[in-house]
Amino acid sequence: DAKTTQPPSMDCAEGRAANLPCNHSTISGNEYVYWYRQIHSQGPQYIIHGLKNNETNEMASLIITEDRKSSTLILPHATLRDTAVYYCIAHNYGQNFVFGPGTRLSVLP
Amino acid sequence: DTGVSQDPRHKITKRGQNVTFRCDPISEHNRLYWYRQTLGQGPEFLTYFQNEAQLEKSRLLSDRFSAERPKGSFSTLEIQRTEQGDSAMYLCASSLAREEEKLFFGSGTQLSVL
Repeated sequence: DAKTTQPPSMDCAEGRAANLPCNHSTISGNEYVYWYRQIHSQGPQYIIHGLKNNETNEMASLIITEDRKSSTLILPHATLRDTAVYYCIAHNYGQNFVFGPGTRLSVLP
Repeated sequence: DTGVSQDPRHKITKRGQNVTFRCDPISEHNRLYWYRQTLGQGPEFLTYFQNEAQLEKSRLLSDRFSAERPKGSFSTLEIQRTEQGDSAMYLCASSLAREEEKLFFGSGTQLSVL
């Protein structure tokens, strides 16, 4: 899996959009961009994934740049329950997920 | 969907003792994974099963570690002769083979080796 780079921490005001960046400049054509999050004392939770098109589901939106070298996870209206560590992973089907240290998002009241 | 269940949630043991953890995956999931996580780091892959077959093991999985999934349902992870460096959160996850990108994790077993 290609290496990803994320800021170690971010703050976001409750009710505002949280935009979490991820760099994956060495991503290969077969690798998807995945996002998981881990709330304190729980295991990671799948959020969303995409290849090159932008994706949206009930949890978040994923914006991938045209050159696929970076992406942004958007939580449109962050709540206190969104406080967690967010992992961006460049992953190829059939391989095992490689989690980095992620971004610790703190949603502030 | 009762989720992935792990037991125990916490285990404290003395160096040199053996410990065993159990994971019950989501019932229809045929893949089961074990990960290990230390403070401030993301989870690290240890091993995975498809049904009862153990298909891959990480180099992190030393000879003291053994995992089984006897009937393709629950799994156990045993650590023999524990060392202080084994202290970590041990996470289990499961998935459907056709949806391998969506891992469902349990809440983990926190192991402390004194």
